[in-house]
Amino acid sequence: DAGVIQSPRHEVTEMGQEVTLRCKPISGHNSLFWYRQTMMRGLELLIYFNNNVPIDDSGMPEDRFSAKMPNASFSTLKIQPSEPRDSAVYFCASSFQSSGADTQYFGPGTRLTVL
Amino acid sequence: DAKTTQPNSMESNEEEPVHLPCNHSTISGTDYIHWYRQLPSQGPEYVIHGLTSNVNNRMASLAIAEDRKSSTLILHRATLRDAAVYYCILTSNTGKLIFGQGTTLQVKP
Repeated sequence: DAGVIQSPRHEVTEMGQEVTLRCKPISGHNSLFWYRQTMMRGLELLIYFNNNVPIDDSGMPEDRFSAKMPNASFSTLKIQPSEPRDSAVYFCASSFQSSGADTQYFGPGTRLTVL
Repeated sequence: DAKTTQPNSMESNEEEPVHLPCNHSTISGTDYIHWYRQLPSQGPEYVIHGLTSNVNNRMASLAIAEDRKSSTLILHRATLRDAAVYYCILTSNTGKLIFGQGTTLQVKP
């Protein structure tokens, strides 16, 4: 298996632009998680899905952020409009289920820079 | 979600064992203890997890105190490639990972 795939790996954009980050989970995994990592705040869980349904989006910073999972093989995290403080590394992870015993597998991340 | 406490940093010599401690005094009966690590410029990577009994895998061992209020990740022979941030995380039935600051492990040649 290729593991969790994220694209793009790097994104540089200007303030006010729309940014879309993409994630392909491991085949057969039913849970998908989006995280953000900054020096100031460390790794933060933004949102997670079970069977393509958003379960907990309490970590989404504000309405500018939205996430979708239209099918089991694809998820997007969108920021509109983007701001410099959104600059971070965004990780996607997947697991077979979202139980306490399950292992999450992380993608390589997307490094976002908003100028 | 229950909290964990880890030292900010630790040092080890190459080829020697490393014991990374974690305190989780508010752990509940159904919380699993997970360890992940993050190598420089990479995403977090699963290391090991357990519930009550000690666990071994090809990467490490996990020793869990009898009262489950603390645990120790054991790397039997540290290599330079083990230099990373190690996170001790408790997971409830939701499986959510709430990352703390972790322990930055330095391995000296």
